[in-house]
Amino acid sequence: AQRVTQPEKLLSVFKGAPVELKCNYSYSGSPELFWYVQYSRQRLQLLLRHISRESIKGFTADLNKGETSFHLKKPFAQEEDSAMYYCARLNDYKLSFGAGTTVTVRA
Amino acid sequence: GAGVSQSPRYKVAKRGQDVALRCDPISGHVSLFWYQQALGQGPEFLTYFQNEAQLDKSGLPSDRFFAERPEGSVSTLKIQRTQQEDSAVYLCASSLVHITETGELFFGEGSRLTVL
Repeated sequence: AQRVTQPEKLLSVFKGAPVELKCNYSYSGSPELFWYVQYSRQRLQLLLRHISRESIKGFTADLNKGETSFHLKKPFAQEEDSAMYYCARLNDYKLSFGAGTTVTVRA
Repeated sequence: GAGVSQSPRYKVAKRGQDVALRCDPISGHVSLFWYQQALGQGPEFLTYFQNEAQLDKSGLPSDRFFAERPEGSVSTLKIQRTQQEDSAVYLCASSLVHITETGELFFGEGSRLTVL
């Protein structure tokens, strides 16, 4: 199965600092990739999808086919960005999730 | 309803007991998925329904796991003769249309199963 890898379990940054969450995927011609987020005491929800090339809550993610990566970035982290982030890949009709990265933004 | 509803939220079972976990998807949602999330891991696919048809059950760990969605709405995940390794959060998710159209799943809060 085509999988995604999130090498960082934990990421801690200061408020106002840039944050980047890494995601790599196993090679395939045209992957469909997503970032999902789970805030404390909330359910898992879609943050953004690569095909829409959108910016949500200041986050962007660029698909880099050469590096097989889909890193999530935000130039200025906020305390409300503290959450669990999952990179996910669509394989046919199934979403395959990475292990997740816990982000803590400190004041 | 306002979102995907799962019950019970927490279940403690003795090894060997049978458990049933319920999922009530968003009204009208065609696709329904069950995922298993072990501690410190991402959700792992278990099974997929389109309406009442179970189109994929390749992720079910063993024949002790069984899922159904008889009328194309509420779904039940049943685990027979529970084992300690079944301890996990079981997530249900639904999608209005085929997931390939949007990639968006709406998740429930999960049912946390602890097997002693």
